Amino acid sequence: EDQVTQSPEALRLQEGESSSLNCSYTVSGLRGLFWYRQDPGKGPEFLFTLYSAGEEKEKERLKATLTKKESFLHITAPKPEDSATYLCAVQARSNDYKLSFGAGTTVTVRA
Amino acid sequence: DTGVSQNPRHKITKRGQNVTFRCDPISEHNRLYWYRQTLGQGPEFLTYFQNEAQLEKSRLLSDRFSAERPKGSFSTLEIQRTEQGDSAMYLCASSLFSGGSYEQYFGPGTRLTVT
Repeated sequence: EDQVTQSPEALRLQEGESSSLNCSYTVSGLRGLFWYRQDPGKGPEFLFTLYSAGEEKEKERLKATLTKKESFLHITAPKPEDSATYLCAVQARSNDYKLSFGAGTTVTVRA
Repeated sequence: DTGVSQNPRHKITKRGQNVTFRCDPISEHNRLYWYRQTLGQGPEFLTYFQNEAQLEKSRLLSDRFSAERPKGSFSTLEIQRTEQGDSAMYLCASSLFSGGSYEQYFGPGTRLTVT
């Protein structure tokens, strides 16, 4: 069964203090790895899809990278509005419908 | 707003009652998914539709749960004889399955509390 482990569980940052979130995964043939942002009481908001090792995607202060075993979400010079839970999910090549999620990393950015 | 919408946003019910949730996907999307999320966990897949056909159901979906997507548009998720363990956020997502991209776009969720 597909497994996704995210670390750390929680991250407290000072505004401007860059950091990285980790997503380790086990899947029998990766179709895609997805990053989502979730604010309290809301649904996940799509950020990135990565399909192959070595791929990188950027959006504002966020950059996602992918290796054969893990993905990193780098937050550069974060602002308080970057505070959220960041979820990682994988989809196996054996299916084209189910996302298997990790438990998320809750990021708090203090001004 | 052209995103996924869900109603109601919150539902409080007593154990043993039936509840029904509605999801309206992004209009051009042909796939619709239901997930369940409990506090501190990521969403867990329940079931999905391609157009009006329900193609897969998770073993998490007990026989008290039923989902429909008549005419391939909106979907409903019904829970019969609710139990306290059903308390969770129920999320709906949709996607355009075109063979090239697999992103799923989520709605705001329905928070169910069973007392």
